[in-house]
Amino acid sequence: EAQVTQNPRYLITVTGKKLTVTCSQNMNHEYMSWYRQDPGLGLRQIYYSMNVEVTDKGDVPEGYKVSRKEKRNFPLILESPSPNQTSLYFCASSLVEGPAKNIQYFGAGTRLSVL
Amino acid sequence: DQQVKQNSPSLSVQEGRISILNCDYTNSMFDYFLWYKKYPAEGPTFLISISSIKDKNEDGRFTVFLNKSAKHLSLHIVPSQPGDSAVYFCGSGGSNYKLTFGKGTLLTVNP
Repeated sequence: EAQVTQNPRYLITVTGKKLTVTCSQNMNHEYMSWYRQDPGLGLRQIYYSMNVEVTDKGDVPEGYKVSRKEKRNFPLILESPSPNQTSLYFCASSLVEGPAKNIQYFGAGTRLSVL
Repeated sequence: DQQVKQNSPSLSVQEGRISILNCDYTNSMFDYFLWYKKYPAEGPTFLISISSIKDKNEDGRFTVFLNKSAKHLSLHIVPSQPGDSAVYFCGSGGSNYKLTFGKGTLLTVNP
């Protein structure tokens, strides 16, 4: 089954404790992206990657890091989480060529609480 | 600077009637537009898209209309069903593959 898998689905942590949210896709998509969803603010892009070893900032990159060492994986790293990073996070992926390009497929989400 | 706006936070319609969700954008470089539907505790799922070279795209009960001169697009759902109750996000993108979303509209379809 074609899917984007995020882990963990739920995470409670404390301020300053480094964490990583993993994202993996099995569709051989070149493009991957991370979003956060907050009440009244909709979906905002954090980082995206056009292909292996190519990453770029989205609209709200502060406090986050990403890496794209393999095509299928795009982990989101919070080196020193703060309470304002409490949010619902989504990973997404898409092709960059062909009739289905730009249609992003989303994971089920990771709900993060930073105390 | 909000480049994609969904001005109605919520919309309520009766089952069987038409639902019309609206979206405005400011960036004239956007050349494709997508609608996503999101249920609670799930990720957004792709619904329908339209490229800037078209003014209408239809898929079953869902039709998207694009008015480039007004920088406006709308999603029509006919007939609306209770299972359509969800948050709908409008997304727009250009050649850099970056997708910008609106804040979403909560659609409630009443039986």
